[in-house]
Amino acid sequence: EPEVTQTPSHQVTQMGQEVILRCVPISNHLYFYWYRQILGQKVEFLVSFYNNEISEKSEIFDDQFSVERPDGSNFTLKIRSTKLEDSAMYFCASKNGRNEKLFFGSGTQLSVL
Amino acid sequence: QKEVEQNSGPLSVPEGAIASLNCTYSDRVSQSFFWYRQYSGKSPELIMSIYSNGDKEDGRFTAQLNKASQYVSLLIRDSQPSDSATYLCAVNSGNQFYFGTGTSLTVIP
Repeated sequence: EPEVTQTPSHQVTQMGQEVILRCVPISNHLYFYWYRQILGQKVEFLVSFYNNEISEKSEIFDDQFSVERPDGSNFTLKIRSTKLEDSAMYFCASKNGRNEKLFFGSGTQLSVL
Repeated sequence: QKEVEQNSGPLSVPEGAIASLNCTYSDRVSQSFFWYRQYSGKSPELIMSIYSNGDKEDGRFTAQLNKASQYVSLLIRDSQPSDSATYLCAVNSGNQFYFGTGTSLTVIP
C-alpha cells in the first residue's frame, strides 16, 4: 500500500534555528499539502503545492515558511527562524486528483525550546 | 471563510451501540466530503468518502450526505472500544480541504 512518508518523526530545535521537514508523497500524486496541528487543536492548513508552485497558502504561512520540491520525489517545508509557537505536529499530505482523497503522512513532531 | 463545524464532544457510547457523528459546512459549492479517524498522537486516517446525496455504507460505517442542508454525518454500528478516537470531518472545495475541530468518541466496554 503506497503511503506518504515523513522524516524525521521528532525534531527538537532551539528558538531562532532553521528546520527542514521532509516528505515523500505517494508517487503518482500531483497535489501536495502541509498541515499542522497544535496539541489538542484542529488540523490547520498551511500550504498547497501543484505543478511546481504554491497554489494556496494560509495566514500562518508567512515569510518564515517556504516549501520546495527539489526533485521528483521529495517535498520539504522549511521554517527559517523557529518560534516557540511553531511547536506542533506537522503533517504532509498528498492526493492524485482534484476531488480525490487526501492521504496523510505520519507527521513530524516539532518542539521549539 | 469556509467553515466546517462539528460538535467537539466528548461523545460516549456503550460497546455495541451506534455512534452518530455530525458535521455542517458553509461552502455550498463543496463537492466531496470525507471522514478521518485520528488516534491521539497519530495522523488522520481516511475512513469514508462521499460525493453524492444519500447514504454510503462500508462495513460498520455509514456516511450520509445532504447537500441541500449542508450536512454530513457518520454512523458507526456495533461500536468497539478500538473505535475510540477523534473523528474529523473534511470538506473538499476546489483543491482545498477544510477540517472541522473533530468529535472525540469514547466507546465504553
